[in-house]
Amino acid sequence: AQSVTQPDIHITVSEGASLELRCNYSYGATPYLFWYVQSPGQGLQLLLKYFSGDTLVQGIKGFEAEFKRSQSSFNLRKPSVHWSDAAEYFCAVGAGGGGNKLTFGTGTQLKVEL
Amino acid sequence: ETGVTQTPRHLVMGMTNKKSLKCEQHLGHNAMYWYKQSAKKPLELMFVYNFKEQTENNSVPSRFSPECPNSSHLFLHLHTLQPEDSALYLCASSQDRGYQETQYFGPGTRLLVL
Repeated sequence: AQSVTQPDIHITVSEGASLELRCNYSYGATPYLFWYVQSPGQGLQLLLKYFSGDTLVQGIKGFEAEFKRSQSSFNLRKPSVHWSDAAEYFCAVGAGGGGNKLTFGTGTQLKVEL
Repeated sequence: ETGVTQTPRHLVMGMTNKKSLKCEQHLGHNAMYWYKQSAKKPLELMFVYNFKEQTENNSVPSRFSPECPNSSHLFLHLHTLQPEDSALYLCASSQDRGYQETQYFGPGTRLLVL
């Protein structure tokens, strides 16, 4: 079965600083990978996803993520963080075999200092 | 209304009460999902419906009873809940079922069981 690990529970960065949120997955084949963001009082919103092809994926709000098969990682990055990026970020992996299931990580809470 | 809406946004109920959560999607999607989000735990998929038919029940206790009368509406009927069922319940929809599909989430219902 697939699994997702987000090793950082909380991260604090200064506005304008760069950001990297870590995500490691466990899955035997090539996974389908997603990053979602959840603002307070809101549902989850898709930032970006990777299925195949170019391992560097561009998403909304200036985010990007890089798939590294050798490291089983799919880290999320942003070159310059804005105060409005403060939220919780979830990495997820989709299984093969026609299933519906997305397996989510426990999330990383991002705080942005002004 | 656009996207995925959920009502009520907050609910407090006793263990002997019966209540229902409602989800409506305005995206023309065919698949709908219920998730449970508890503090410090990954999102847990509860149920999946595709074209009104339940395609997945992720070993959810029978005190949670889903209903999908059409592709736009999804209900979660609650009865004799336990305090550990207190959580944020998220509804999502996607064009079709499958892990590769982008899921669109509602804002959730915050449930407190006393």
